[in-house]
Amino acid sequence: KQEVTQIPAALSVPEGENLVLNCSFTDSAIYNLQWFRQDPGKGLTSLLLIQSSQREQTSGRLNASLDKSSGRSTLYIAASQPGDSATYLCAVRPVETSGSRLTFGEGTQLTVNP
Amino acid sequence: NAGVTQTPKFRVLKTGQSMTLLCAQDMNHEYMYWYRQDPGMGLRLIHYSVGEGTTAKGEVPDGYNVSRLKKQNFLLGLESAAPSQTSVYFCASSYRDKGYEQYFGPGTRLTVT
Repeated sequence: KQEVTQIPAALSVPEGENLVLNCSFTDSAIYNLQWFRQDPGKGLTSLLLIQSSQREQTSGRLNASLDKSSGRSTLYIAASQPGDSATYLCAVRPVETSGSRLTFGEGTQLTVNP
Repeated sequence: NAGVTQTPKFRVLKTGQSMTLLCAQDMNHEYMYWYRQDPGMGLRLIHYSVGEGTTAKGEVPDGYNVSRLKKQNFLLGLESAAPSQTSVYFCASSYRDKGYEQYFGPGTRLTVT
C-alpha cells in the first residue's frame, strides 16, 4: 500500500527566505505526483503536476523536483512571502491509472512571517 | 468557468438524518471524486466515478452512497448520519489528457450532533 509522508509537519520562516518542502513515498511505481496548496477553510489548489518521466517542473517562484527511484519529491519556494502561508500537500498517482486515485500526504503547514 | 462547485457549504445534521451533497463541474471532466478531510487523518477517498453512470468505492465508503446520472454532477448521500461523519467533504474532478490533474471544490463542512 502506498504511503506518503511530508516532513516537517509545520515550518515557520521569515519573509524572503528560500525554502524546501519534502515529500516521500514508499512505492516508486507512480504515474505522476501533484503538489497542492490549501488555505484555511478552503479547498485544494493545484500548484504543479510532475510526470514520472520528468525531473522537475516550474511555475513562477515554485519548483518541484521528482526522484522516483528514491521515492522523493521536493517543492522549492523562492523568496517566500506572507501570502505563501498555507498548508502544502503532495499526492501521488499510481501507474495503474484506472480511476486516477491519489494518495495524499498530511501536509506541511507553512507560515511566512513579515 | 466556475470549475468545481459544491452545495451546500455548511450543514448541521442530527444523528439518523439523511442528506445529499451536490458536486458540479463545468470542465467536461470524465473522473469525479469525493474525499473527506479530518485532522490527523489527511484526505481520504470515499467514492469515485470514471464516467457517467459508473461509481466505485474508495478507501472509506461505509455509510455513504453516490450517484452520477449526469457527467457534470456527482452526488454524495448519507442515509443515516452518524457523529463519526462529522468532517469536511471535498469533491474533485480530473481529465485523462491533463495527466489526471485533480481540481477541487471549496468543500462542505458537515457537523452531525
